[in-house]
Amino acid sequence: TQLLEQSPQFLSIQEGENLTVYCNSSSVFSSLQWYRQEPGEGPVLLVTVVTGGEVKKLKRLTFQFGDARKDSSLHITAAQPGDTGLYLCAGRGGATNKLIFGTGTLLAVQP
Amino acid sequence: DVKVTQSSRYLVKRTGEKVFLECVQDMDHENMFWYRQDPGLGLRLIYFSYDVKMKEKGDIPEGYSVSREKKERFSLILESASTNQTSMYLCASRLTGTQYFGPGTRLTVL
Repeated sequence: TQLLEQSPQFLSIQEGENLTVYCNSSSVFSSLQWYRQEPGEGPVLLVTVVTGGEVKKLKRLTFQFGDARKDSSLHITAAQPGDTGLYLCAGRGGATNKLIFGTGTLLAVQP
Repeated sequence: DVKVTQSSRYLVKRTGEKVFLECVQDMDHENMFWYRQDPGLGLRLIYFSYDVKMKEKGDIPEGYSVSREKKERFSLILESASTNQTSMYLCASRLTGTQYFGPGTRLTVL
C-alpha cells in the first residue's frame, strides 16, 4: 500500500514567517499534486509536479518534487492569514494509477 | 467554472438508517469519486466511477454502495449507517489530471 506522510501535522505561525511542509513516501509517484482546503470547503488544486527535481512557484508558494519522485515540499514565504487551511499532497502512481492523498498539514497563520 | 455540488452540508442520522449522499457535477466529466476525510488520515477513496452504470471499489468500500445512473450524478449509499461512518464525505469529478471537489457533507451517525 502506498502511503504519503506529511509533516508537520499542525503548524501555527505568525504573519510574515516562512514555513515548509513535507510530503514523504517510500513509493515512486508519476506525479504529485498539492491541494489547499479551507474550512467548510472541498480541497482545491494548487499545483501538479511531474518531473523529478521540478520546482514550481505560485506567488509566495514554492513546490518541489524530489529527484527520486518519492517526496515533495511546499514552502511558503511571508505567510499571510489567507494562507490558513489544510494542505494536502496527493501522489499518482503504482499499478492502479489512483490518486493517494497524504495525511494533511493544518496551517494557522495568526495576524 | 466547474461546479460540484453535494446535496447536504450537514446530516445527522441514527444507527441503522439508510443514508443517501448525492453529488452532481456540471462539466460532463466521466470520472467521479467518493472520499471520506478523517483527521490525521487524509482522504480515503470509497468508490469511483469511470462512466454511467460503471463503478469500482476504492480502498475502503465496506459498508457503502454507489449508483451512477446519469453521467452528472454519483450517489453514495450507506445501507445501514453505523457510528464509525461519522465523517466528512467529499465528492469529486475529474477532467484529465485535475480533481474538482464538492464542499463536502459532514455526516454524524448517532
